[in-house]
Amino acid sequence: AQSVTQPDIHITVSEGASLELRCNYSYGATPYLFWYVQSPGQGLQLLLKYFSGDTLVQGIKGFEAEFKRSQSSFNLRKPSVHWSDAAEYFCAVGLYNTDKLIFGTGTRLQVFP
Amino acid sequence: DAGVIQSPRHEVTEMGQEVTLRCKPISGHDYLFWYRQTMMRGLELLIYFNNNVPIDDSGMPEDRFSAKMPNASFSTLKIQPSEPRDSAVYFCASSFRSHNTGELFFGEGSRLTVL
Repeated sequence: AQSVTQPDIHITVSEGASLELRCNYSYGATPYLFWYVQSPGQGLQLLLKYFSGDTLVQGIKGFEAEFKRSQSSFNLRKPSVHWSDAAEYFCAVGLYNTDKLIFGTGTRLQVFP
Repeated sequence: DAGVIQSPRHEVTEMGQEVTLRCKPISGHDYLFWYRQTMMRGLELLIYFNNNVPIDDSGMPEDRFSAKMPNASFSTLKIQPSEPRDSAVYFCASSFRSHNTGELFFGEGSRLTVL
């Protein structure tokens, strides 16, 4: 069955430090891949998406993600974290043959000043 | 555009009561999704509609849950009777075309507490 795994439940970084959030998927073909962010008390907002082509994709708020087929991964990165980046981050997989979007369990990011 | 609008934002009810959650999608979007978020299970897709027609309701937990979309600008998710394990945040999201080519826009959610 298709699945999305985010191994890190909670990550804490200092402001200005670099960030990498991990995401692995299980799917028979190359899926559509997404990262969404959820601020406290809010709905989810799209950060970036990968459909095909260049495996390094740029998103909003200075985030980027790299698709690695050999590792079935789509990790999210940011070179310098800001306090306002504290939120929960969700990786998601869209499947070719349906309109479903399957979300991972999320990674909560805490940023210390 | 005002975005996806959900109501109520918070609902506290007693076990056995009927609960109705409402959603107004973004005008022009032809897909509407209902998700449930809990600490234990994360984000679960309950049901989604395309052009007001339910396409996949395999995520609806049981017969106590039902969803309708009578027109392009309104959808409801009903729980009858409600149980404490239904306590969660329920999100509505809409998109133009399939999410696979577009982007899901989420409402702020309806937090349901069943006592």
